[in-house]
Amino acid sequence: SQTIHQWPATLVQPVGSPLSLECTVEGTSNPNLYWYRQAAGRGLQLLFYSVGIGQISSEVPQNLSASRPQDRQFILSSKKLLLSDSGFYLCAWSDRSGRISYEQYFGPGTRLTVT
Amino acid sequence: GENVEQHPSTLSVQEGDSAVIKCTYSDSASNYFPWYKQELGKRPQLIIDIRSNVGEKKDQRIAVTLNKTAKHFSLHITETQPEDSAVYFCAPPDSMLTFGGGTRLMVKP
Repeated sequence: SQTIHQWPATLVQPVGSPLSLECTVEGTSNPNLYWYRQAAGRGLQLLFYSVGIGQISSEVPQNLSASRPQDRQFILSSKKLLLSDSGFYLCAWSDRSGRISYEQYFGPGTRLTVT
Repeated sequence: GENVEQHPSTLSVQEGDSAVIKCTYSDSASNYFPWYKQELGKRPQLIIDIRSNVGEKKDQRIAVTLNKTAKHFSLHITETQPEDSAVYFCAPPDSMLTFGGGTRLMVKP
């Protein structure tokens, strides 16, 4: 069966510090991968999605970046965090072909607080 | 991307009553319509979905209806229970999802 992991689970970082969040998927190959951010009490904002290694599409221009160094690894980074980067970061995957389902499977999330 | 509007943003119902949440979209080529539930502090999970070749799908107390002409699909929860309290998200069709703003459903015992 497929599983998705995210770490760390929680993170407190000062403004201006760098960020690296990691997401890995097991039990599937060639998945679509996504990064979302959710501010407290708000909706899901799509940040990045990837259809393959090295292929990243950005939905929102900001101080964040994403990379996909391996098929089942997705990394979210920042060189300098802003207060507004605080939130709940969710990684997700879906079957690329869509023949089975377009369902997105979410990881457990990382709660980031920028102080 | 897909333009999605979800209403209402908050909904409070008495236990046992029904709840309806509506999502409108703009892409007439869409063919897959899912609903996700997110409990407090947890990850969103798919609860029901429908493809464009059917107009309604039921799974126990939840159902989704689709009106392709009007470009909207709705989530129906009957006999609501306190554990139905959560945020519900619709998502537009296909694999690159931009979620609706969410509906916070509160079921009062």
